[in-house]
Amino acid sequence: DGGITQSPKYLFRKEGQNVTLSCEQNLNHDAMYWYRQDPGQGLRLIYYSQIVNDFQKGDIAEGYSVSREKKESFPLTVTSAQKNPTAFYLCASSIDDEQYFGPGTRLTVT
Amino acid sequence: AQSVTQPDIHITVSEGASLELRCNYSYGATPYLFWYVQSPGQGLQLLLKYFSGDTLVQGIKGFEAEFKRSQSSFNLRKPSVHWSDAAEYFCAVGAVTGGGNKLTFGTGTQLKVEL
Repeated sequence: DGGITQSPKYLFRKEGQNVTLSCEQNLNHDAMYWYRQDPGQGLRLIYYSQIVNDFQKGDIAEGYSVSREKKESFPLTVTSAQKNPTAFYLCASSIDDEQYFGPGTRLTVT
Repeated sequence: AQSVTQPDIHITVSEGASLELRCNYSYGATPYLFWYVQSPGQGLQLLLKYFSGDTLVQGIKGFEAEFKRSQSSFNLRKPSVHWSDAAEYFCAVGAVTGGGNKLTFGTGTQLKVEL
């Protein structure tokens, strides 16, 4: 089955630690995206990548970093500089302007 | 800059009743418009999309939406709601960036269905 996988589903970290969220797709899509979702705020774009080895900042990139070394993988690192990291993180990929979403990772930082 | 407004945070309807979820957008050119649905703790599923052509768009699960340029709206409708439609619904507007579509989402409308 083709799709997008995000792991783990739940992630817990202590404040001050960096954490990396995984996103893998086997849809052969060129473009991939990371969104953050908070209650009542919809989805906000963190980073996106249109092609391997290239990525751009979205609307709320501060405190986050990404890499795109392989077409199928787009990991997101939440750094200690992110002031409010606790949120639901969604990865997506797209072809022909239609985005497909993964199941999400809920990150809790205490 | 593009933006999306979903004025209703929560909506409650009875099973079997009709449904309309409102979406207004702001965009400088002809927009690409989408409706997604999200069940609790899950990712988003595409219900329907509008790129061009016929302004009444049919989607999955019996949903439809109508693009009205004069009102900058893309409202989602369903003639008869089922209990399984209870979820959160997001409207989004897209800007084609050449190889990818950068979406701006509304804040969502939570739908509750009363049996």
